[in-house]
Amino acid sequence: EVQLVESGGDLVRPGGSLRLSCAASGFIVTSDDMHWVRQAPGRGLEWISVIYSGGHTYYEDSVKGRFTLSRDFSKNTLYLQMNSLRADDTAVYYCARGSYSMYFFDYWGQGTLVTVSS
Amino acid sequence: QTVVTQDPSLSVSPGGTVTLTCGLTSGSVSPLYYPSWYQQTPGQAPRTLIYSTNIRSSGVPGRFSGSILGNKAALTITAAQADDESTYYCVLYINNGVWVFGGGTRLTVL
Repeated sequence: EVQLVESGGDLVRPGGSLRLSCAASGFIVTSDDMHWVRQAPGRGLEWISVIYSGGHTYYEDSVKGRFTLSRDFSKNTLYLQMNSLRADDTAVYYCARGSYSMYFFDYWGQGTLVTVSS
Repeated sequence: QTVVTQDPSLSVSPGGTVTLTCGLTSGSVSPLYYPSWYQQTPGQAPRTLIYSTNIRSSGVPGRFSGSILGNKAALTITAAQADDESTYYCVLYINNGVWVFGGGTRLTVL
């Protein structure tokens, strides 16, 4: 059974850093495309990044240069390193597995809350 | 910048049919955007409903169907039930590793 479990969400000050984790089971995280999608309080879903199975990464413009995706095969875990955090990064962050050929998100984690505030 | 549009809110009567749409502020939605649809209730993670325009995800009832209507992607719910009351999001694959969500449609069943 495919499962995704996010962790690492916390309260952080503006300008600070945080690393989110997404532990996967039921599949190999380096063999599939993996995404992060976030949702600010009371707002809609926002796609922010993808790491393709081949390792290429893409980012939404508002996080480009500040957020970095990586993977650990041995831990079967996806990471999102977030630097220079801003108040508008406050959101629940979901990891999701992507479908290579159909360009959609087939499994989702339960999300982890990041709050950026002084 | 690509903007994906959805009606902010819609309502449907129990047992009725409703169609939610997903468009672009500039241009038409085609199957090449691989439109997909997700259902979300408050406090929960999204649930995948439809992908690649009209393919139902595993376990999704046949009451949910996807299509292209005119220049938009569409999600049609027939025989609406109370537990269909949710927010529905579409997302389009734009290109070069970029996806864009619509703002969501809050569906009320009353």
